[in-house]
Amino acid sequence: AQSVTQPDIHITVSEGASLELRCNYSYGATPYLFWYVQSPGQGLQLLLKYFSGDTLVQGIKGFEAEFKRSQSSFNLRKPSVHWSDAAEYFCAVGGKAAGNKLTFGGGTRVLVKP
Amino acid sequence: DTGVSQNPRHKITKRGQNVTFRCDPISEHNRLYWYRQTLGQGPEFLTYFQNEAQLEKSRLLSDRFSAERPKGSFSTLEIQRTEQGDSAMYLCASAHSGEQYFGPGTRLTVT
Repeated sequence: AQSVTQPDIHITVSEGASLELRCNYSYGATPYLFWYVQSPGQGLQLLLKYFSGDTLVQGIKGFEAEFKRSQSSFNLRKPSVHWSDAAEYFCAVGGKAAGNKLTFGGGTRVLVKP
Repeated sequence: DTGVSQNPRHKITKRGQNVTFRCDPISEHNRLYWYRQTLGQGPEFLTYFQNEAQLEKSRLLSDRFSAERPKGSFSTLEIQRTEQGDSAMYLCASAHSGEQYFGPGTRLTVT
């Protein structure tokens, strides 16, 4: 069975500071990994994805994530957060073996202090 | 490419009523997925289609739920005899390959 754990429910960060969101996954085959962002009352926007190849992937809005197979992790980072980054962030795992359906973590809510 | 659209955006219904939601995927995306998201949780998979074929249904999808995708274009999700526990955001996503693009969702409130 596939699963995703996001250990941090809430994170508060000062504007301009760096941000790291943790994600651990369980998947029996080659995983596809994703980070999505959701603003209140809105749908999900894809930030970045990992399918194969380079384990450091770049996404939109200055985000990046690193795939570490040995740790079953796919942590999201941003060097300097902006007030507009306040939102909920979801890590998800999928793959061809599961028809590409996604299993999401519980999310991490990011609050940005001025 | 106008993105995935969902209608209605909000639906308030009384317990026991039937409701139907519509999802229009990105054109030429052959896969379409439905998810449900309750407050404070991540989305949970309900079902998915490849073209018009429904290939998988989650155990979350009780007999009161049915989904269709006639002609492999738009999809509908119907909930019969709604219960208060059905209150949630229903999200639709479409995909051509591995990445899914989500619509804005339909928020259902059952009173």
